[in-house]
Amino acid sequence: DVKVTQSSRYLVKRTGEKVFLECVQDMDHENMFWYRQDPGLGLRLIYFSYDVKMKEKGDIPEGYSVSREKKERFSLILESASTNQTSMYLCASSFWTGEGEQYFGPGTRLTVT
Amino acid sequence: QKEVEQDPGPLSVPEGAIVSLNCTYSNSAFQYFMWYRQYSRKGPELLMYTYSSGNKEDGRFTAQVDKSSKYISLFIRDSQPSDSATYLCAMKGNSGGYQKVTFGTGTKLQVIP
Repeated sequence: DVKVTQSSRYLVKRTGEKVFLECVQDMDHENMFWYRQDPGLGLRLIYFSYDVKMKEKGDIPEGYSVSREKKERFSLILESASTNQTSMYLCASSFWTGEGEQYFGPGTRLTVT
Repeated sequence: QKEVEQDPGPLSVPEGAIVSLNCTYSNSAFQYFMWYRQYSRKGPELLMYTYSSGNKEDGRFTAQVDKSSKYISLFIRDSQPSDSATYLCAMKGNSGGYQKVTFGTGTKLQVIP
């Protein structure tokens, strides 16, 4: 079974704090993704990475950055958290080629106060 | 207009009913079609995927793709309370390399015992 794990299930941070969300996958997938999920808006892609040290902006990269130093690990960084970044954050991974099916982690519910 | 449209529901059915969940799309380049199930406060889990047109069956679940109508469906037979979840459709093209996966916003299903 593919396993994608995320460092925290619930996180509460204050406005202006730097926030790190970590994701680890154990299937040797090339691609890794960060999404946020909000009611009525569905899943929106923040960033993805197709190889170590490689990254591409998704649909809503503003206010976020990412880091991928090892193939299995992909980090999302909120440089200065704001209340409009309160959301469910989902990490996913997939093979580079193939049908594109993505495997998701359990999610991190981030609240910024 | 969104590339993928999905009725948000909620859809309430009695236990044992046949459930039909649907998505329409506008991008004729989509070739791979997926359904995810997401329980409350959890990450989406891949339920089924199909390539191009046709049907695919897995236990009580049947995925159907009609590319001529740009319409995909997920049928659940003998629905159970444990099927209560949000169902997301997802799709992608097939022109080589990485192709972005586009998700629907999800349909919330409740199966009443």
